[in-house]
Amino acid sequence: KNEVEQSPQNLTAQEGEFITINCSYSVGISALHWLQQHPGGGIVSLFMLSSGKKKHGRLIATINIQEKHSSLHITASHPRDSAVYICAVETSGSRLTFGEGTQLTVNP
Amino acid sequence: DTEVTQTPKHLVMGMTNKKSLKCEQHMGHRAMYWYKQKAKKPPELMFVYSYEKLSINESVPSRFSPECPNSSLLNLHLHALQPEDSALYLCASSRAKGPSNYGYTFGSGTRLTVV
Repeated sequence: KNEVEQSPQNLTAQEGEFITINCSYSVGISALHWLQQHPGGGIVSLFMLSSGKKKHGRLIATINIQEKHSSLHITASHPRDSAVYICAVETSGSRLTFGEGTQLTVNP
Repeated sequence: DTEVTQTPKHLVMGMTNKKSLKCEQHMGHRAMYWYKQKAKKPPELMFVYSYEKLSINESVPSRFSPECPNSSLLNLHLHALQPEDSALYLCASSRAKGPSNYGYTFGSGTRLTVV
């Protein structure tokens, strides 16, 4: 079992829909990251969370430390949101452990 | 400056070539990382430098040689690579110590093709 599990693996939505991507982890962490990667591109950090909730534009990220669970929400989704979204957790020594990623496709 | 800059963005090299990848940051981060990412897979850690010293080598073949000449710069020297080494090479940086979160920042990567 991976230390970081993401669901779903693939997600297709229509433009305007509300999207949720989930991340569960089984290790003690110092922080959790949500990352975005467009095809063939580098990684962009969306959020870093150690507690609570953060919002940036149409993106919202939450974390429940007790339940070892985080969610990434996208409101009013747009085709340009199509990308791979990766959950990664910081463990000891600032090492990152990555989930397998969620491929999001938003159709117009 | 809140960026990690990687050059070149794309690199095609032959199996007998020697080339280098470069990564630079000016955020005062004292930990720098090289990751390798194959298509449709998450990044895999290769090397970690902490305060300009190599602290983690994830059993990477010696044809990959990292170098950290100063606190802002990280290089990855490539020699005698194989076609299976073709991948996206990502650099990242973070604070080495301090608050419980380390402020990870990723570069946009170098797309390497070995022919």
